Amino acid sequence: EAQVTQNPRYLITVTGKKLTVTCSQNMNHEYMSWYRQDPGLGLRQIYYSMNVEVTDKGDVPEGYKVSRKEKRNFPLILESPSPNQTSLYFCASKKRLWFYYGYTFGSGTRLTVV
Amino acid sequence: KNEVEQSPQNLTAQEGEFITINCSYSVGISALHWLQQHPGGGIVSLFMLSSGKKKHGRLIATINIQEKHSSLHITASHPRDSAVYICAASMVSGGGADGLTFGKGTHLIIQP
Repeated sequence: EAQVTQNPRYLITVTGKKLTVTCSQNMNHEYMSWYRQDPGLGLRQIYYSMNVEVTDKGDVPEGYKVSRKEKRNFPLILESPSPNQTSLYFCASKKRLWFYYGYTFGSGTRLTVV
Repeated sequence: KNEVEQSPQNLTAQEGEFITINCSYSVGISALHWLQQHPGGGIVSLFMLSSGKKKHGRLIATINIQEKHSSLHITASHPRDSAVYICAASMVSGGGADGLTFGKGTHLIIQP
């Protein structure tokens, strides 16, 4: 089944403890991106990647890192999480540059930083 | 930067009613996406359109490029259509980056 898999689904952590949220897709998509969703603010893009080893900042990149060493994986790294990073996170992928194709989203990761 | 506005923010209707959700954006785009988010959080892509109209089952999406406006219609609405509907504008920059700017969503409740 074509899908984007995010792990974990739920995570509670403490301020300052490094964490990684994984994202993997099995559709050979070039383009992958991370979003966060907050009440009243909607979805906002954190980082995106157009292909292996090519990443760039979205609208709200502060406090996050990403890497794209393989085409299928695009992990989101929080080096020193803070409570304002408590949010619902989504990973998505699609074929690069072919904007006639839609996005496939992961199931989301609900992160709480205490 | 593109601004994407959706209306209404909240909509409650009776089963069987015809539903319209509107989306407007401020600058030219390469495509307009409609997404559905059910309670529990998962997001599903419903439509991506750059012109005209698309139909899938009871859902219809239209876009007017000149007026920078799109609508999502649901015919014969059903309680299982209850969800948050989000429009997102896609802009392909000169470098090829495809950024999405999202509306804040329309929370739809269909009552039996």
